[in-house]
Amino acid sequence: GEDVEQSLFLSVREGDSSVINCTYTDSSSTYLYWYKQEPGAGLQLLTYIFSNMDMKQDQRLTVLLNKKDKHLSLRIADTQTGDSAIYFCAESSTAGNKLTFGGGTRVLVKP
Amino acid sequence: DTGVSQDPRHKITKRGQNVTFRCDPISEHNRLYWYRQTLGQGPEFLTYFQNEAQLEKSRLLSDRFSAERPKGSFSTLEIQRTEQGDSAMYLCASSLSQGSGELFFGEGSRLTVL
Repeated sequence: GEDVEQSLFLSVREGDSSVINCTYTDSSSTYLYWYKQEPGAGLQLLTYIFSNMDMKQDQRLTVLLNKKDKHLSLRIADTQTGDSAIYFCAESSTAGNKLTFGGGTRVLVKP
Repeated sequence: DTGVSQDPRHKITKRGQNVTFRCDPISEHNRLYWYRQTLGQGPEFLTYFQNEAQLEKSRLLSDRFSAERPKGSFSTLEIQRTEQGDSAMYLCASSLSQGSGELFFGEGSRLTVL
């Protein structure tokens, strides 16, 4: 079955860049997503990438996809204290179908 | 606000009782999903509907769990004879079946079984 893995924790200083990594096993993954969850809140979609793309940039966010290695990363430039949250990687083999989530990476931004 | 809404936000119950959660999706979304999230874990898929049809159920969904979406709009998730292991956040999401497949999540219903 599908499996999505993420590192548990990342600490970064305010103003630095953060890089969150994710690996997945399903070779038929077509859509890959990054969600953010703040304490007591629901999941918020940050960005997504189609499997035929290598990179997608959206303001401070850059997503890199290495389809050969099944590796996805999210880079947050100029990390702010408001970026402290849990970040989830998720994959889907078809748009609108169920997502399989990783366990989440807790990002702590220190002033 | 036209986001996904869930009710109740918190439910505390005694083991063996039945509980029901309701989800109202974004009105134009034809797909509705239920996920369960326990502390320190990512959301786990439970089931999803396209309109009123339940298209897939996870093995996690034991026979004590039942979900319905009778008119293709709101959905309910009922847990019968609750167990302590059912304590979790139950998340509802909705989406269109076309486009990027972005799921819009509600804030969840937290269940505590004593």
